[in-house]
Amino acid sequence: DSGVTQTPKHLITATGQRVTLRCSPRSGDLSVYWYQQSLDQGLQFLIQYYNGEERAKGNILERFSAQQFPDLHSELNLSSLELGDSALYFCASSQGGTGANVLTFGAGSRLTVL
Amino acid sequence: AQTVTQSQPEMSVQEAETVTLSCTYDTSENNYYLFWYKQPPSRQMILVIRQEAYKQQNATENRFSVNFQKAAKSFSLKISDSQLGDTAMYFCAFISNNAGNMLTFGGGTRLMVKP
Repeated sequence: DSGVTQTPKHLITATGQRVTLRCSPRSGDLSVYWYQQSLDQGLQFLIQYYNGEERAKGNILERFSAQQFPDLHSELNLSSLELGDSALYFCASSQGGTGANVLTFGAGSRLTVL
Repeated sequence: AQTVTQSQPEMSVQEAETVTLSCTYDTSENNYYLFWYKQPPSRQMILVIRQEAYKQQNATENRFSVNFQKAAKSFSLKISDSQLGDTAMYFCAFISNNAGNMLTFGGGTRLMVKP
């Protein structure tokens, strides 16, 4: 157990629907990162939050949004889902928000869009 | 923008032997960190080893060691005494030490350890 908790582990939904993925960081970690792992795109950085504020943004679609709450958990919202959104979504956390901090990954949420 | 390249999509090694996975990267930064992550069939991303760019000494963690060549922008992973449990995808990753940075991954190398 890495200490980073992601729910749900698996999710199957239909095109056009909206889902929310949840992440609880390791105790003491202030920064949360979201990554998407798909077969054709590899591991893609989506977004980073540090202590409730957006710190960095990657290749995140406009249909996707995220936030980090005061208790430091984070949610990734995916809307108007398409078949191509099927992927493994990882959350990672670190103590600080710079590269000196090691990222610890959760077990991932596998999203299947039918 | 930083890029990370792993030129070996798949590799195999016999149990107890040594294997080296290659990684090159491109950056204009001087202060950065390099990582190797392992992703076994469980899909969990597990940190294998970390190297600070300002350190000349190569990082070592038990059977895992790196060959860090900063001028050549090369960062290879050597696995000694390979074990069946080492079978996994291995990802090389780069991050600079600036705020607003992101961990950039290579495409991965699938390693199969054969009995």
